[in-house]
Amino acid sequence: DSGVTQTPKHLITATGQRVTLRCSPRSGDLSVYWYQQSLDQGLQFLIQYYNGEERAKGNILERFSAQQFPDLHSELNLSSLELGDSALYFCASSTSGTTLYEQYFGPGTRLTVT
Amino acid sequence: SQQGEEDPQALSIQEGENATMNCSYKTSINNLQWYRQNSGRGLVHLILIRSNEREKHSGRLRVTLDTSKKSSSLLITASRAADTASYFCATDERHQGGSEKLVFGKGTKLTVNP
Repeated sequence: DSGVTQTPKHLITATGQRVTLRCSPRSGDLSVYWYQQSLDQGLQFLIQYYNGEERAKGNILERFSAQQFPDLHSELNLSSLELGDSALYFCASSTSGTTLYEQYFGPGTRLTVT
Repeated sequence: SQQGEEDPQALSIQEGENATMNCSYKTSINNLQWYRQNSGRGLVHLILIRSNEREKHSGRLRVTLDTSKKSSSLLITASRAADTASYFCATDERHQGGSEKLVFGKGTKLTVNP
């Protein structure tokens, strides 16, 4: 158990809908990272927050947004969902805001768009 | 963008044998990390090696880094069925403005047959 929690575990929704994925980092970790894992694209970095502020951005679509709250939990919002958004979404946390240290991954949310 | 690339894509061995996976990357790095992922689950950090280190050990794991060849290898000795998983290397990638992100390869799928 990494100490990172993600809810829900599974989500099935229809195209065009909007969903919110939630992540709670390890106690004491200030950084939260979001990743998308699909069979064809592999593990893709989406976005990072550090202590409530956006720190780095990756291949995140404009339909997607995220935020980190004062209690350090984070939410990833996916809107106007398309079939291609079906994937595993992981959140990871780290003590540091840099890539100099390991990241601890949650169990993931499996999103299926039908 | 993909920084690290693992080789081979898949590896099947017998219990007790050693498994070697390789990772090549393109640009200079501060560190290289290896992660393990059991099917459909979150990634687990295995080992981090910094750019000024050549070799690192952790239990049955041995990681080497050759920055001149931009490559790393992960050796798992005396493999067990429980080592069956996908193994990913991740390198840090810097962007304009100082933001950083971890870039993961597509992984090596290791199967250890009992």
